[in-house]
Amino acid sequence: QVQLQESGPALVEPSETLSLTCTVSGGSISNYYWNWIRQPPGKGLEWIGYIYFTGTTNYNPSLKSRVTISVDTSQNQFSLKLTSVTAADTAMYYCARANSGIWGQGTMVTVSS
Amino acid sequence: DIVMTQSPDTLAVSLGERATINCKSSQSILYSSNNKNNLAWYQQKPGQPPKLLIYWASTRESGVPDRFSGSGSGTDFTLTISSLQAEDVAVYYCQQYYITPYTFGQGTKLEIK
Repeated sequence: QVQLQESGPALVEPSETLSLTCTVSGGSISNYYWNWIRQPPGKGLEWIGYIYFTGTTNYNPSLKSRVTISVDTSQNQFSLKLTSVTAADTAMYYCARANSGIWGQGTMVTVSS
Repeated sequence: DIVMTQSPDTLAVSLGERATINCKSSQSILYSSNNKNNLAWYQQKPGQPPKLLIYWASTRESGVPDRFSGSGSGTDFTLTISSLQAEDVAVYYCQQYYITPYTFGQGTKLEIK
C-alpha cells in the first residue's frame, strides 16, 4: 500500500528557510495531486498547497509569497520550501495524497534560535 | 476563503449513545456537475495524523466502522456516530475541497460523559 514519509530538519532558525521532503513508497507519484498541510501545537489544520505530478501547483494565499512546492518524479518525492520563517511557522507538517486517506505521520518543525 | 464552522467545540457523550457534530460552510460546496458535496470528515487522535472517515459528505472510507455516517448538502453537514465507543474519543474536523484554499473547521473534541 502507498505510504508517505516526511523528512527534514526539526529545528529551523527564524528568518531561514524550512525545507521538507515527502517520499512516496508503495506506489507512483504520477497521476495524483499531493498536499502539504500543517498543524501548530494544540491547534487546527491549515492547508499549505498542492502539486500535481506534472508540476502544477496551487498555494494558500496566506502563505503564497513564501511557499514553493516542487516534485521529483524520478525519486518519487515532492518537497516544501517555506522562506522567512517565524515562530508562527512552528507546526507539525504533514504530506498527504489529495482526496484520499493517505497521509504521512508528520514531522514536527520548530522555529527557534 | 470558505469558512468552515463546527459545533459544538466540545461534546461529551455516554458510551453507546449517539454523537452528532455539525459543520457549516460559508458558501455552498455542492459541485453542480456531479451533484456531490466536496466535504470530508477526519478523526484525529493524539500524536496521530488525521484519519479520513467520510468523503463526498456521506461516503464512508474503506475500513471505517458503519457507526460513522455523514449527511447534509449545500452548506450544512453532520457527522453522526450512532453508538459511541471508547476508541472514538478524538478531535473531529470537517474540510471543504470545493475550492482552494481548502479549509478545515476548527475541530470538535469528543469526550466520554
